[in-house]
Formats: sequence, C-alpha cells, structure tokens
Amino acid sequence: ILNVEQSPQSLHVQEGDSTNFTCSFPSSNFYALHWYRWETAKSPEALFVMTLNGDEKKKGRISATLNTKEGYSYLYIKGSQPEDSATYLCARPSGGSYIPTFGRGTSLIVHP
Amino acid sequence: EAQVTQNPRYLITVTGKKLTVTCSQNMNHEYMSWYRQDPGLGLRQIYYSMNVEVTDKGDVPEGYKVSRKEKRNFPLILESPSPNQTSLYFCASSSTGGWTEAFFGQGTRLTVV
Repeated sequence: ILNVEQSPQSLHVQEGDSTNFTCSFPSSNFYALHWYRWETAKSPEALFVMTLNGDEKKKGRISATLNTKEGYSYLYIKGSQPEDSATYLCARPSGGSYIPTFGRGTSLIVHP
Repeated sequence: EAQVTQNPRYLITVTGKKLTVTCSQNMNHEYMSWYRQDPGLGLRQIYYSMNVEVTDKGDVPEGYKVSRKEKRNFPLILESPSPNQTSLYFCASSSTGGWTEAFFGQGTRLTVV
C-alpha cells in the first residue's frame, strides 16, 4: 500500500488568515501528485495535477508546490474565506495501477 | 455535461442480501475505480479497471466484486453484505489514470444492518 500522509489532520483559522498544509509521499517511481477539494455532502473535485519537480500551480487564492526528490507537496490558501472550508485531499498514483492512492486529508474550517 | 453517475445515493439493506451499486461515466474514460470512505481512514481503493474486461484489486477488495463489460459502466457488487461494509462509496473515472484528474460520482451511502 502506498503511504500518502497529510498534516495537519484539521485546522481552524479565522477569515483572512493565510494557511498551508503538507502532503508527504514516497518519492520513488513518482509521476504525478493530485490535490482535491472535498466539501461536505459533495464529491471531491480536482484542484491540481502536478508532475514536475519544482512545479507550482495556482488557482485563485489557492496554490501548490511540489518537491518530488524529497517527496512532499504544500498547498497554500491566501486570505482564507468561509467558503474555503472543506477537506483537502492529496493523492499519488501508484506505479502499478496508475489509480490515485489518497491521504486522509486535512479538514479546514474558516471562521467568519 | 461531463459526469460520473452513481445509483443509488442512499441504501439501507440487511446482512447477506446481494446488492449492486451502479456507476456510469459519459466521458469515454479508460480508467474507473471504486473507493470507500470511512471516518479517520480517508478514501481507500476497492477495485479499479484500466479498460473493458480489465479489472484488478485495490487495497480493500474483500467482500466486493466488479465487472467492466462496457467502457462507460463499472458496477460494484456486494454478494453478501455485512455490517462492516457500511460506508460511503465513491466511483471515479479518469482518461489516463494518474496523469489526469479523477472525476467522482456523487457518492453512495450504504448502511448494512
């Protein structure tokens, strides 16, 4: 089983705070890292798919970086808003199936 | 509209009564997979398929079966459900496996009593 670890498990911030969380994964046989946003009572939706070491992607106030050599990715949210409250999942496809293995997620709650 | 459709959304059943959760995608995706989500454990792979008639076990396949007779459909079969299969289930599809994003169905909340 591919181990994908996320930290912290949960995070409470105030509206306007910037925040970040970490995804750690085995660096061997790497070819992609996914980030998903999962709101309560909905389905996970993709934020980013990252493949290159040093890659940085941005969507609005959310950005992500990737370090494939050391096996980690950071997700940043600038100026958090209550609508950013969700669970953020990272996933790394394994070499055999190419199907993503997910971390347990970071639950973000943004208080108004 | 591009989508992955799961049915039913909610199901309560009794131990041992066979059931099927359907999954269909309209994006002509090669890859499809099933996950279960349990509190504190995250999304865990049950089975996946890389093409028609090509399926394989994920991390937690015990008690489940799948089939992929057509590209668009990937049903999950519980031959004899047990209470430990009470969970939230998601079907997902993607065009090129891990190189592209996965699209998820709406989820099926299954309760086995």
